[in-house]
Parts: sequence; C-alpha cells; structure tokens
Amino acid sequence: EVQLVESGGGLVQPGGSLRLSCAASGFTFGIYWMSWVRQAPGKGLEWVANIKEDGSEKYYVDSVKGRFTISRDNTKNSLYLQMNSLRAEDTAVYYCARARPGLYFDYWGQGTLVTVSS
Amino acid sequence: QSALTQPASVSGSPGQSITISCTGTSSDVGGYNYVSWYQQHPGKAPKLMIYDVNSRPSGISNRFSGSKSGNTASLSISGLQAEDEADYYCSSFTSSNTVVFGGGTKLTVL
Repeated sequence: EVQLVESGGGLVQPGGSLRLSCAASGFTFGIYWMSWVRQAPGKGLEWVANIKEDGSEKYYVDSVKGRFTISRDNTKNSLYLQMNSLRAEDTAVYYCARARPGLYFDYWGQGTLVTVSS
Repeated sequence: QSALTQPASVSGSPGQSITISCTGTSSDVGGYNYVSWYQQHPGKAPKLMIYDVNSRPSGISNRFSGSKSGNTASLSISGLQAEDEADYYCSSFTSSNTVVFGGGTKLTVL
C-alpha cells in the first residue's frame, strides 16, 4: 500500500525557517517525480515544487523561488522541503504527493500544517 | 503562473448530471493533454479522479468523465450522489514544466 506521511509542520515566526519531511513507503520511491502542494486555510490548492527522480531537476512556483528548496534522499525514501524567510502568506497545509507523467498526482499524504505568525 | 478558471460553485439534485469547466491558456490546458481533476472532502487530502484529460484511475466510478476543447477542460458527473458533494479542482501541466491548479469548485448535491 502506498503511503506518504508528512511531518515537521508547526508554528514559526515571520522570517523563520522550517523543514518539512515526507516519508514514503509501499512503492519504489526512487523512480518517481515527487511534489509539494499547499492549501491555505479556506483556500484552494497551490502547487509548490517538483523534483525529478534523481533530484537533478527542480521546479518551483514563483512565490517561493529563492526561499524554498525541495530535495530528496532516495536511500531513505524521503522527500523534503526546506522553507526559509517564511511569510504569513506561506501559512497552509502542505501535502506531499507522488507525481506521474504529465505531472498529475496519484497519491497524497495527509498534510502537515505550517503556521507563520508572530 | 495564473490559476486556471473554474466556477466557484455548481449544484444538482441526486440522479442529475453536472459539468464543471476549467479554462486556461495555450500554455497549459490548451497545449497539452495533461489535465487532471481532484475531489476533496472537508478536512481530507485531495483524491485523483481524472488524469490525462479523460482517463480514470482504478476504482473511480465511470460516472466521472473528463473532456477538453481548446483551452477549456470539463469534468462531468452523472447520476449525482450525496457523496459526490465536495470541492473539485482541475490542474494542468504547463510549458514551464510546472503545474497550475484551478481555484476550485464547490459541488452541492441538493
């Protein structure tokens, strides 16, 4: 059974940093693109970042470029999102998702809440 | 990276059919057959319903179908059931090798 379990969310002050993790199981992690998608409270879905199977290609939504870094460790079946210079507008539930060709997401984690507030 | 355009809400009675539209540009919806649709119930993670415009994942009812014409994709649901009440989001691959979502549509089953 495919499972994606996010962790690392919490309350952080504006300007602070946080590192999200996603533990994958039930599939061969190293042969799939992976993504982060977020959802602000009461708002819609927003794609955040993608990373290629081997980590050689990474793409970001404009609003997080230069502040967020997506990475992965295929030996640990784990996906990460390093978030720096956090802003109030980054407050959201962050989902880890498995990406398929054409960048649709067939499996999602349960999400982890990040709150940026003083 | 502008969001795709969806109606904020649609509604229908049990047994009826509804369609949700999703309008983009030639750089996303119109340029690729990579439109997908997600269902999200309150407090839950999104669930894939349609991918590659009109393909259904295993386990998804054939009451759900997708189509595309030009820069507009559509999700149709026939034989509406109470459990179909949820938020629905479209998404598309883009020319920048990124993903763009629609703003979401709240489906109410009357």
